[in-house]
Amino acid sequence: GESVGLHLPTLSVQEGDNSIINCAYSNSASDYFIWYKQESGKGPQFIIDIRSNMDKRQGQRVTVLLNKTVKHLSLQIAATQPGDSAVYFCGGGGSYIPTFGRGTSLIVHP
Amino acid sequence: KAGVTQTPRYLIKTRGQQVTLSCSPISGHRSVSWYQQTPGQGLQFLFEYFSETQRNKGNFPGRFSGRQFSNSRSEMNVSTLELGDSALYLCASSLSHNPGSYGYTFGSGTRLTVV
Repeated sequence: GESVGLHLPTLSVQEGDNSIINCAYSNSASDYFIWYKQESGKGPQFIIDIRSNMDKRQGQRVTVLLNKTVKHLSLQIAATQPGDSAVYFCGGGGSYIPTFGRGTSLIVHP
Repeated sequence: KAGVTQTPRYLIKTRGQQVTLSCSPISGHRSVSWYQQTPGQGLQFLFEYFSETQRNKGNFPGRFSGRQFSNSRSEMNVSTLELGDSALYLCASSLSHNPGSYGYTFGSGTRLTVV
């Protein structure tokens, strides 16, 4: 089955810098990939998704890149703010129920 | 509109006991999925219910069970609790079965601690 995982458990950045959170997946069965943000004490919130036939998708201050050759997904956050501090995790889905990775904790230092 | 409501927010149980968690989906949503979240394993899928029927099941022992009522509210039950069952249990609702990337809305979870 699908396996989705993140590369680093923790990422520390300075406020104003750009953040890049990486994710790898094990097979190509997913029709889409998703990024969720989970703040302390809250449930995950949808950030952005990308279809498997796309390479890049942009949202507000966020960009997701999909490299199907190396089965790699990344989330880029521009001008990181303290409010971006949270756990971010990626997921993949399609004809099956979405599976998710462990998550990367993003810490933004003022 | 109200979001996904999970009750209780926190629970402390003793090994061997059983526990029931509740999830009220967004009004009009007919599908409820349950996930277990732990630091070591991340988000793991437990099961999905749609129109009172279990549609998918994850790789968890039979001690984990669930059901869905006619009003789409769902409960999950864990019997003979083990220390390793300590986790945040999340429920996600959607309009339909496997709605794709946009469709899932998560609740804030129930934090279960087994002592």
